[in-house]
Amino acid sequence: NAGVTQTPKFQVLKTGQSMTLQCAQDMNHEYMSWYRQDPGMGLRLIHYSVGAGITDQGEVPNGYNVSRSTTEDFPLRLLSAAPSQTSVYFCASSVTGEAGNTIYFGEGSWLTVV
Amino acid sequence: AQSVTQPDIHITVSEGASLELRCNYSYGATPYLFWYVQSPGQGLQLLLKYFSGDTLVQGIKGFEAEFKRSQSSFNLRKPSVHWSDAAEYFCAVGAPGGYNKLIFGAGTRLAVHP
Repeated sequence: NAGVTQTPKFQVLKTGQSMTLQCAQDMNHEYMSWYRQDPGMGLRLIHYSVGAGITDQGEVPNGYNVSRSTTEDFPLRLLSAAPSQTSVYFCASSVTGEAGNTIYFGEGSWLTVV
Repeated sequence: AQSVTQPDIHITVSEGASLELRCNYSYGATPYLFWYVQSPGQGLQLLLKYFSGDTLVQGIKGFEAEFKRSQSSFNLRKPSVHWSDAAEYFCAVGAPGGYNKLIFGAGTRLAVHP
């Protein structure tokens, strides 16, 4: 049972570099989302998708880009990394985008921008 | 706007002691309420959730939570803590009728002394 798989688990970037955090789920979930976790702030929603071809912004979308070409994959792109994007990133999914569905989280991707 | 407050950043209890983690929320109506647990280096796991009905909710690992509308609270309890319960605990709210977007509290880190 793979669930929600994130890669890479750890990454160090230089300021200005771009990269993509990969997220895949094998549960045929319609809804996928990305959160970032910072000390003392809990998790904050970056972007979400209610189905293939549909994405929308969350609470902290600036500096990030997403696409949803398939049901399974929801990559998060950092366009020009900044130290403020040093964080732990979590991908999550649920059966549908309706509020209340159980959300399943990946194990996280630790990103450091120097 | 929705918000979640977890007043205690760190809590230390002895193994076998009872536990109560506090959570207060701000929302115009009754939100969906969740408790998640995060072990070091891991993703978040759902402990329990409240949608409606009985205000005392049972979850996994022997946890329970009580919804108190008059106090806008959803405190998590466990009668006897085990060393394996050491982790970070997050309270979250969701908006009924909306998309499956959660607002998280800042978290409470639980340490358990033998």
